[in-house]
Amino acid sequence: DAGVIQSPRHEVTEMGQEVTLRCKPISGHDYLFWYRQTMMRGLELLIYFNNNVPIDDSGMPEDRFSAKMPNASFSTLKIQPSEPRDSAVYFCASRSTGGLARETQYFGPGTRLLVL
Amino acid sequence: GEDVEQSLFLSVREGDSSVINCTYTDSSSTYLYWYKQEPGAGLQLLTYIFSNMDMKQDQRLTVLLNKKDKHLSLRIADTQTGDSAIYFCAEKGNTDKLIFGTGTRLQVFP
Repeated sequence: DAGVIQSPRHEVTEMGQEVTLRCKPISGHDYLFWYRQTMMRGLELLIYFNNNVPIDDSGMPEDRFSAKMPNASFSTLKIQPSEPRDSAVYFCASRSTGGLARETQYFGPGTRLLVL
Repeated sequence: GEDVEQSLFLSVREGDSSVINCTYTDSSSTYLYWYKQEPGAGLQLLTYIFSNMDMKQDQRLTVLLNKKDKHLSLRIADTQTGDSAIYFCAEKGNTDKLIFGTGTRLQVFP
C-alpha cells in the first residue's frame, strides 16, 4: 500500500491567494482527518470525515478554510484568501473502522505551506 | 477539555535506554499511541496499547501504562542516533479524535 498521499509537498504563495491541498487516503479507510502543525500550537485537528461526510469541523480556524471529500479516495483543504499566519505543515491522516488496528490513524507526509 | 502532557526534551547517549513519559487526563481512554516524527517528515506510528493492558513490548520498544495514574511511557532500549526525532503521545477516548501531546524531542549523542 502506498500509504496516505498528499500533494503538493511544498507550497509557497502570496497573501491573498487561494491554496488547495490534496489528500488521498489509504484504500479502504473510511475516516479522513486534516491536521495543522505549527511550532506555537503543536498539532491541531481541523476537521474529519467519516464515509465522505464531515463529522466535526470545530477545529477549522475561520471561514477562509473549507474542506471537501467528494469521494472515498480524495479530499481537499482549501484556504481562500490565504494569510501569512496560515503558514504551517498540514497533515492528512486516515483510518479504518475494522481490522486489528482499527482505531489507528496513519499520517501522510504533509504539505509545507508558506504564505508570504 | 482532555489534555496530554509530555516533557519537551530528552538527551541520551548512544547505547543507553531512553524513557519518554506522558500523562493524560481522559479517564475514558481506549487506546494510547506513540508516534515518531523525523525532521521534515510526517508522523509515523510506532506502537499502540489498549487501555486494558499494562505493558506491550515490540523489539526495542516497551510501552508501560499505569491507568490509575494516567501515565504512559515509552522505553527505547539501546538508543541509536537514528532514533533522534520528536515522539508524540496520543490518546483516544470515546470519540473519533486523537488528543496529541506537544511532543518530546529526543536527541541521541555519540
